[in-house]
Amino acid sequence: EVQLLESGGGLVQPGGSLRLSCAASGFTFISNAMSWVRQAPGRGLEWVSGISGSGDSTYYADSVKGRFTISRDNSKNTLYLQMNSLRAEDAAVYYCAKVPSEAWNDAPRAFDSWGQGTLVTVSS
Amino acid sequence: DIVMTQSPDSLAVSLGERATINCKSSQSVLHSSNNNNYFAWYQQKPGQSPKLLINWASTRESGVPDRFSGSGSGTDFTLTISSLQAEDVAVYYCQQYYSTPRTFGQGTKVEI
Repeated sequence: EVQLLESGGGLVQPGGSLRLSCAASGFTFISNAMSWVRQAPGRGLEWVSGISGSGDSTYYADSVKGRFTISRDNSKNTLYLQMNSLRAEDAAVYYCAKVPSEAWNDAPRAFDSWGQGTLVTVSS
Repeated sequence: DIVMTQSPDSLAVSLGERATINCKSSQSVLHSSNNNNYFAWYQQKPGQSPKLLINWASTRESGVPDRFSGSGSGTDFTLTISSLQAEDVAVYYCQQYYSTPRTFGQGTKVEI
């Protein structure tokens, strides 16, 4: 059974940093691209970032480009999101999601499994 | 960026009745090389994470009841719940995975 378990959320001041983690199990992690999707309170889904299975290719929404960094450690089956220069508008539940293909652009797929999410609050 | 627009924003349907949600993309998500629509529907129940219901515009994921069906091609898509059940109360999102950034519709809330 696929399991995705996010952690690392919490309260951070504007301008601060946070690193989210997503521990994956139940599938061959390196064979799957991964993604982060966020949802502000009471709002819809917003794609944040994606990464290929190897980690060689990364992709970002314009709203986070230059501030967020996605990475993965395939030896630990873990996905990360390093978030710097956080703003009030970054406050959201952050979900990690699995893509059922290794590549991101060569073989695009929908997100077939999601974690339970981790809440990020940005406030002074 | 491809903009996804859903309609309506919310709808109330009686138990056992049909629910229809529409989604329009600002450009075609049909890939000419393989004739596939890079389009999905997700269901998010209250307090839960999203769940993939349908991909390739009309292919139900394993375990999804057959009362859920997807149709459409190019820029116009529809999710139909043929006979609404109480457990179908949720927000439904469309998404394109044709290009990056991946984009979602704003969501449609389905109530009884």
